Formats: sequence, C-alpha cells, structure tokens
Amino acid sequence: DQQVKQNSPSLSVQEGRISILNCDYTNSMFDYFLWYKKYPAEGPTFLISISSIKDKNEDGRFTVFLNKSAKHLSLHIVPSQPGDSAVYFCAASSINAGGTSYGKLTFGQGTILTVHP
Amino acid sequence: DGGITQSPKYLFRKEGQNVTLSCEQNLNHDAMYWYRQDPGQGLRLIYYSQIVNDFQKGDIAEGYSVSREKKESFPLTVTSAQKNPTAFYLCASSFLAGGDNEQFFGPGTRLTVL
Repeated sequence: DQQVKQNSPSLSVQEGRISILNCDYTNSMFDYFLWYKKYPAEGPTFLISISSIKDKNEDGRFTVFLNKSAKHLSLHIVPSQPGDSAVYFCAASSINAGGTSYGKLTFGQGTILTVHP
Repeated sequence: DGGITQSPKYLFRKEGQNVTLSCEQNLNHDAMYWYRQDPGQGLRLIYYSQIVNDFQKGDIAEGYSVSREKKESFPLTVTSAQKNPTAFYLCASSFLAGGDNEQFFGPGTRLTVL
C-alpha cells in the first residue's frame, strides 16, 4: 500500500520554463510534507517543506503548494535551470502522531527531472 | 563541520556473509534512520531510532539488524537472511523536538553482494 505516490517517473523541461512535480498521498494523518532532491550515488538533500496549516510555501525559485482536500501537493521550479536536473522525492509525515510514528517519513517513488539547455 | 558520514562508499561481499554499514553524525540529532533505495524506487525505511538503546522496525526490516549504543552512531548489519541485499543504503538523522521532521542524509553506501 503506497501511501505517497509520484505518478510521473520523469519530466523533461526547457531551461527557463516552469517545472511542476506532483505528489499524491492517501493517509489523512499526514500533516507535514517535504521535497528532497537527489543526484545519482549521493544522499538526498532537503529542498523545501510545508505544514498542513499552510497551502503554499516559497523559497527562491521553489514553491510548494498543498491541496489538503485533494491530498495533493506540487513543487514548482521557476525558472528551471540545467543544474536542477535530478531525482525529486516528496515525503510525508505525521508530526502530531506521537509515539513511535513521530519523525517517520514516507517517501514517494521519485520523479526524474531533466532540464535541457 | 557538522554532518553525517557513511562508510565505506562502496562495499562488496560474498553471498552468505553478514556485513555492517557504518553511520555517524555530529549534528546532535536525536533520531537516526536507515533507508534502502533500489533502481526506479523510492526510499524504503529499514529501521529507525528515536533515542539511544531503542529502535523500531521500518517497512522492510527483515534480514537486517541495528544497534544504537551511542547517540552519534547507528550501524546497520545486513545479514545472510536478507534475500536481496544488493542496493544503495542511506542513513539519515533528525531532531525530534519542534515538529520539524527534516531529515539530513549521508552520502550513502552501495552494497553489492556477489
């Protein structure tokens, strides 16, 4: 049972255009969401996060949108740059769950973003 | 210079041998985690630990074991019972206080079982 899904395995975008990466979740207990970027043979690096009390969070070229009713979030990268080419993972957690679930992240399968010059 | 270190970067072992992957952090993080990544798949949680001398099974714990004797260290042993051990293994750590669950990842260890 995959609780966090990234249905697009890959995305190809022209440099300077917008990249939109999507993520869906099924567990209504999730209340904190994160995006990570990963290069091959390296560990993921944190990009941006959003709490369920917000519907938008922005950091430079990166904006994350959360639609709680649709259980959907998206990451927008504007403008896209060739250096953004990587695998992007969304992740979710229940920060108010308490107990042994606290701090546990559930990851999606990842989307490979390729930004062409 | 704080961070998470994993060693070695590449590891080769013969089938049937146990192997231990190292993970150390100097970020004073409370929690530590082990994930496995296979080609075309996301990160799957193997084990995690919120405090010293305590740990919980993740989604794919079978064939693995861990220990948390020190706050800074969370070694993972891949036992001969793990049916498909060849994978990229990632260690992570985070604070638990404040509700911010950002996890910081190490560089990973690629294990190949021959």
